[in-house]
Amino acid sequence: QKEVEQNSGPLSVPEGAIASLNCTYSDRGSQSFFWYRQYSGKSPELIMFIYSNGDKEDGRFTAQLNKASQYVSLLIRDSQPSDSATYLCAVSMNTGFQKLVFGTGTRLLVSP
Amino acid sequence: NAGVTQTPKFQVLKTGQSMTLQCAQDMNHNSMYWYRQDPGMGLRLIYYSASEGTTDKGEVPNGYNVSRLNKREFSLRLESAAPSQTSVYFCASTGASSGNTIYFGEGSWLTVV
Repeated sequence: QKEVEQNSGPLSVPEGAIASLNCTYSDRGSQSFFWYRQYSGKSPELIMFIYSNGDKEDGRFTAQLNKASQYVSLLIRDSQPSDSATYLCAVSMNTGFQKLVFGTGTRLLVSP
Repeated sequence: NAGVTQTPKFQVLKTGQSMTLQCAQDMNHNSMYWYRQDPGMGLRLIYYSASEGTTDKGEVPNGYNVSRLNKREFSLRLESAAPSQTSVYFCASTGASSGNTIYFGEGSWLTVV
């Protein structure tokens, strides 16, 4: 079993809709959770991180963490075509020094 | 504001050849990493350096060596390239100055024929 699991997609949503991206992880000791966005041919860029159970909001993005269920999600409100990319979930055992384990990513397509 | 700089960006190697990927960061980060990214496999950690003077194996270290030359630079060497090492390689760094957020370089596309 891979340590961090994501549906590869593509997840297709119309412009203006909410996109919901999901990630599960296997190690209960995981402490830090990250969402990266990667455009085709580019490097990953950090969108959000979350350490505590619950929701964390940043603009149109909301990260949700449920450690009991070993589940982390990313909601993108008012999705735009420019949000079309691959979204990578990453998990770390630490909150300080980061040694990330990545999922394979979910490809999101936002249609105008 | 360079961030993490990798060279070369593109390289084609013949099987058995050696090469070194160079990485430098200007953010005064303590920790540096090398990842490879393959279709359907996601990003996998090859080696990392938690601080200057230390290096450790990651998930897929076989066929690679690294050198933490100083605080800024972390190189990845392929001693005898194999077609299985065809991949996109990302260098990354993190440190207290960036809130321990990992920042990636632009990637190096390596093809071994």
